[in-house]
Amino acid sequence: EVQLVESGGDLVQPGGSLTLSCVASGSDFTFSNLWMSWVRQAPGKGLEWVATINQYGSQTFYVDSVKGRFTISRDTPKNSVYLQMNSLRADDTAVYYCARFGRNCTATACYGGWFDPWGQGTLVTVSS
Amino acid sequence: QTVVTQEPSFSVSPGGTVTLTCGLNSGSVSTSHSPTWYQQTPGQAPRTLIYNTNARSSGVPDRFSGSILGNKGALTITGAQADDESHYYCVLYMGRGVSVFGGGTKLTVL
Repeated sequence: EVQLVESGGDLVQPGGSLTLSCVASGSDFTFSNLWMSWVRQAPGKGLEWVATINQYGSQTFYVDSVKGRFTISRDTPKNSVYLQMNSLRADDTAVYYCARFGRNCTATACYGGWFDPWGQGTLVTVSS
Repeated sequence: QTVVTQEPSFSVSPGGTVTLTCGLNSGSVSTSHSPTWYQQTPGQAPRTLIYNTNARSSGVPDRFSGSILGNKGALTITGAQADDESHYYCVLYMGRGVSVFGGGTKLTVL
């Protein structure tokens, strides 16, 4: 089972930048096989998918509202995934969760996707 | 724009059965969307209940089950208990790396 721990959340001014980190640990997993994602939750609001990266780091996907501002990346030897956030806005204020993006794979293809497990989250506050 | 729909709120009596649904503003939900369900209490990370339509996550009681009902994903809680009172979120995989969450259902047990 894999455990995920996020870090890097902070108070940042509008227009500023921040990088979040997520480290995976545990037993019976190979980080290089895992797709990883970031999901956020604004105060008092629901969950919102933010970004996903494939196991190789060669494919990245983003919700429209962060395209061009956020970058998801990974460092497989460090069992880590990152979210670099630029041009931050007040509506980016949220708890950011790291999660494994699970897929249903056959010998030839993968289908679907879900988030499990999750980290405990790290709070990003964008305010002057 | 894809919108995933959930009932904003629902009530169930202790010991009762409730089915929460997860729909699409355009089209039907199928197994290809891998409907997945989470339970979340305030201040806590989401807890995975059901993933990939009907697979129960480790440690989740079998009174939680997932399915496709009609054109929607569904989470059924059988024999509701007081500590089931929580927020429930579904997520659908839309393809091309994109996932969309529903707005959540606040379940009250009374």
